[in-house]
Amino acid sequence: NAGVTQTPKFQVLKTGQSMTLQCAQDMNHNSMYWYRQDPGMGLRLIYYSASEGTTDKGEVPNGYNVSRLNKREFSLRLESAAPSQTSVYFCASSGLAGVSTDTQYFGPGTRLTVL
Amino acid sequence: KQEVTQIPAALSVPEGENLVLNCSFTDSAIYNLQWFRQDPGKGLTSLLLIQSSQREQTSGRLNASLDKSSGRSTLYIAASQPGDSATYLCAASTGANSKLTFGKGITLSVRP
Repeated sequence: NAGVTQTPKFQVLKTGQSMTLQCAQDMNHNSMYWYRQDPGMGLRLIYYSASEGTTDKGEVPNGYNVSRLNKREFSLRLESAAPSQTSVYFCASSGLAGVSTDTQYFGPGTRLTVL
Repeated sequence: KQEVTQIPAALSVPEGENLVLNCSFTDSAIYNLQWFRQDPGKGLTSLLLIQSSQREQTSGRLNASLDKSSGRSTLYIAASQPGDSATYLCAASTGANSKLTFGKGITLSVRP
């Protein structure tokens, strides 16, 4: 049981390049989330997926797109990276769709630098 | 809009001290309040989750309390150890789908 896994762990991009951050969970959770963590700003929700087939914007969705590929996988795509997207990105999952009582389990993070 | 505040941003204590970490939130209509630990360069690990109907939760040397009416939660750490050194974040869940609003965290250093 690996929990929540994220790839890659580190990435350096040039401005304008695109990339996809991958996230997978093996806990049969319904809900999945993408956060970014910046110094002085804390963790902020980018997008979330309450259940397979649904996605919704969080607090800071601009410049990102997401895909809930299946119940296990939730990817985050940067179409045209900007230096302001330099951050640490965390994926998380929780158990019950629509029931706000579950602990969120976090992946180890992807450290992204945009030059 | 929910806002979560953790003050101070950093705290240094000698080993063995009992300590309290504070968290305040502006919207009392929360579903739950969660405390996480984050070690440098790592992801977040859940410590305790308090449902809105509960007043406190305990796990080992950790005890978290919730007072919705005053918009406050505290994390009590008994007999602190150097291994407790980390950043502690609280997060409030409001609305459906377990969306969390995080505080900026308190970086705790326990001196041997």
